[in-house]
Amino acid sequence: QIQLVQSGPELKKPGESLKISCKASGYTFTDYAMQWVKQAPGKGLQYMGWINTQTGKPTYADDFKERFVFSLETSASTAYLQINNLKNEDTATYFCATHPAFAYWGQGTLVTVSS
Amino acid sequence: EIVLTQSPTTMAASPGEKVTLTCLASSSVNYMYWYQQKSSASPKLLIYYTSSLASGVPDRFSGSGSGTSYSLTISSMEAEDAAIYYCLQLTSTPLTFGSGTKLEIK
Repeated sequence: QIQLVQSGPELKKPGESLKISCKASGYTFTDYAMQWVKQAPGKGLQYMGWINTQTGKPTYADDFKERFVFSLETSASTAYLQINNLKNEDTATYFCATHPAFAYWGQGTLVTVSS
Repeated sequence: EIVLTQSPTTMAASPGEKVTLTCLASSSVNYMYWYQQKSSASPKLLIYYTSSLASGVPDRFSGSGSGTSYSLTISSMEAEDAAIYYCLQLTSTPLTFGSGTKLEIK
C-alpha cells in the first residue's frame, strides 16, 4: 500500500532553517509528482507547489517562491521541503501528498517558529 | 488564480439528515475534488473527477456539478461525518483549495 511518512516535529527560532522529509513507499517513486501543502494553526489548506519526481524540477505557488526549496533523493524515494530564514508565520503543519488526485498524504510535520 | 468559495462556512446537521456542501469556482474547472479532514489529521480524499467515490468511502457521500458550481452531498448524516470538508481544483495552476466547510453533528 502507498505510504508517505514525514519527519517529526520541529521547534526553530526565527532566522534558522529546517528540512522536512517525506519518504514514500508502496509504489514507484517517479510515477507521481510530490505536492506540498501548508496548514497554519486553525486555518485551511494552502497549496505550496510540487516537484516533478522524474526531472527534479520544482514549481512553487506565488507565496512560496522565496525561502522555500523542494528537492528529492530519488534513490531513497524521499522528497524534501527546506525552509530558509524562518519567520513566525511559517508556524504550521506541512503535508506532502501524491497521486494525481492527492489520494495519499503524509501524516504532517508540525513546525513551530518561536524566539 | 481560480478562487474556490465554499458555503456554508459552518453548519450543523442531525443524524440521518441530508447535507449538501457547495463549492463555487471563480472560473470554469474541469473537475472538482473533495477532502475530509478530522481534527489535525491528514486530509482524506472522498470524491475525485467530480463524482467518483474514492476507495473505502461510504456510499452516502456523492459529488456533482460542472463548470463553476459543484457540490458534495451526504445522504444521511452520521456522527463520524463531523469534520471539515475542502474542495480542490486541479484544472489551472496554481492549484487551489476552498476555504473549507466545518460540519458539526447536532
